[in-house]
Amino acid sequence: GDSVTQMEGPVTLSEEAFLTINCTYTATGYPSLFWYVQYPGEGLQLLLKATKADDKGSNKGFEATYRKETTSFHLEKGSVQVSDSAVYFCALSAGDDNNDMRFGAGTRLTVKP
Amino acid sequence: DTAVSQTPKYLVTQMGNDKSIKCEQNLGHDTMYWYKQDSKKFLKIMFSYNNKELIINETVPNRFSPKSPDKAHLNLHINSLELGDSAVYFCASSQDLGPGPNYGYTFGSGTRLTVV
Repeated sequence: GDSVTQMEGPVTLSEEAFLTINCTYTATGYPSLFWYVQYPGEGLQLLLKATKADDKGSNKGFEATYRKETTSFHLEKGSVQVSDSAVYFCALSAGDDNNDMRFGAGTRLTVKP
Repeated sequence: DTAVSQTPKYLVTQMGNDKSIKCEQNLGHDTMYWYKQDSKKFLKIMFSYNNKELIINETVPNRFSPKSPDKAHLNLHINSLELGDSAVYFCASSQDLGPGPNYGYTFGSGTRLTVV
């Protein structure tokens, strides 16, 4: 079935470091791809999305490009801040009749001052 | 105004009890969901409803029963609670259903259920 696989954490970086969290997907159709962020004690918030190949989603300095040839949607940020510490989830929606969201296992990011 | 609100935020109860979690969305979305997040942060879909009709019913014990009185509400009732039910339960909603691009879900802030 359709699924996403993201890099295992935890990831620990110093402030202003470059961030990459890898995500690859498996899908039979034309999925939409997402990154969600979960801050401590809160629900998931949509961070960015891309609905077709070569689209780039971006928000709050984060970006990810939908790469159909490598079935990837890696999350990047050029300079992380302490406030970016959270759990990040890659997800896909298959675009089929149910269109339900399938989440990766989550990657915990800790940014140290 | 909170878009997707769940109550209660915390719920501590004894094994064997019956409890309910309520969810309401004021976004006018047609579809609502329940997800379970375990201690390792893994998210698993439990149910989805579209306009009060059950769409997804994953392999969940039948002690869990969703109820949707209208399309803005999706409540979760759990009978005979067990220790393994301890988790964070998230409600979510979306406008989209059916083939084509999906523009994402809006999540509630979660209900932390602890069964003792």
